[in-house]
Amino acid sequence: AQSVAQPEDQVKVAEGNPLTVKCTYSVSGNPYLFWYVQYPNRGLQFLLKYITGDNLVKGSYGFEAEFNKSQTSFHLKKPSALVSDSALYFCAVRDMSTGGYQKVTFGTGTKLQVIP
Amino acid sequence: GAVVSQHPSRVICKSGTSVKIECRSLDFQATTMFWYRQFPKQSLMLMATSNEGSKATYEQGVEKDKFLINHASLTLSTLTVTSAHPEDSSFYICSATLGQGRTDTQYFGPGTRLTVL
Repeated sequence: AQSVAQPEDQVKVAEGNPLTVKCTYSVSGNPYLFWYVQYPNRGLQFLLKYITGDNLVKGSYGFEAEFNKSQTSFHLKKPSALVSDSALYFCAVRDMSTGGYQKVTFGTGTKLQVIP
Repeated sequence: GAVVSQHPSRVICKSGTSVKIECRSLDFQATTMFWYRQFPKQSLMLMATSNEGSKATYEQGVEKDKFLINHASLTLSTLTVTSAHPEDSSFYICSATLGQGRTDTQYFGPGTRLTVL
């Protein structure tokens, strides 16, 4: 079974400050991890993904995420937040250990609010 | 690249009627498409996975006779909500992948807001 947890329903940060949105996962084998962003009444936009390789993954709009196997975490980060980053962020995971296509499990989402 | 569209973006219908939602991959061929339902302030719930030319695979608890999915071509999948009732009101989102590989990224459509009166 695979699962993902986003412990914070909401994160508030001042514009220009660094931001972190937390995500932890649980899989049987190796994880395939994603971050998506959703603006109001819109679908999800892909930000970045981790499969293998460098633990620090860089994505769209200046976002990056750090894969930490020992802590089973994949936190989303940005060095300097913008007001336009305010949105709902979803972490997602797929277990790569089983054959065939496996569905992706999404977290419950974290609402990011960047304060001017 | 990898743009997915949905039509309509918003629909209001009377209870008992059927509503069709289209999901199209605009610049790529999507072997696999997914339909999700999202309730307010909640995560996405996968309803079904559809592969072109075959029957959709429904998640547990999703009524296949109520939520009809047709993946007629590599660029089009449709979701028909039959005999809609107010409890079917929700935000429906589709996504598509380029292939069936285990590392494929899902690209999402903008969503369809369904309101059943």
